[in-house]
Amino acid sequence: QVRLVESGGGVVKPGGSLRLSCAASGFRFRDHYASWIRQTPGKGLECLSYISSSTNTKYYADSVKGRFTISRDNAKSSLFLQMDSLRDDDTAVYYCASSLTDMRGGIDYWGQGTLVTVSS
Amino acid sequence: QSALTQPASVSGSPGQSITISCTGTGRDVGGYNYVSWYQQHPGKAPKLIIFQVSSRPSGIPNRFSASKSGNTASLTISGLQAEDEADYYCSSYTYSSSVIFGGGTKLTVL
Repeated sequence: QVRLVESGGGVVKPGGSLRLSCAASGFRFRDHYASWIRQTPGKGLECLSYISSSTNTKYYADSVKGRFTISRDNAKSSLFLQMDSLRDDDTAVYYCASSLTDMRGGIDYWGQGTLVTVSS
Repeated sequence: QSALTQPASVSGSPGQSITISCTGTGRDVGGYNYVSWYQQHPGKAPKLIIFQVSSRPSGIPNRFSASKSGNTASLTISGLQAEDEADYYCSSYTYSSSVIFGGGTKLTVL
């Protein structure tokens, strides 16, 4: 059974930092692209960042470039998102996700999401 | 990169067919055959139902079909069922290697 389980969400003040983690199981995580997608009621779904299986390819949306850092540990089937300089508009549900091909083929697996609230 | 344009809501009766449109530009929908569609029930994560314009992942019923013409992609659900009531999102790979989503369409089964 495929599972992606996010952790690390919570409440943080503007300017603060948070590190999200995602534990994958039930498939060969090491062979596939992984990504972080967030969802807000106002802005909908937004692909923030993705990373290739080998970590050679990394993408960041303009909204998080320079503030967020994606990484993965294939030995532990884990994905991470280091979020710095958080702003009010980073408040969202953050999903860990994985694509069986690359990002062009759609996002096959999604976690249940973790809520990040940025508020003073 | 702007979001793709979808209607805010559509509705249909059980057994009927509905179509949801998704309009982009030549730099995303029109430029690549990399359009995906997702179904999202309240409180749940999105679920991939269509990839690469018209392909269905294993386990997705053939009541779900999709196509693309120019800068507009379309998702059709035939033989509507109560459990199809959900939000639907389109997505496209873009010229800048990003992945963008539509604003979502709420499907109501009357």
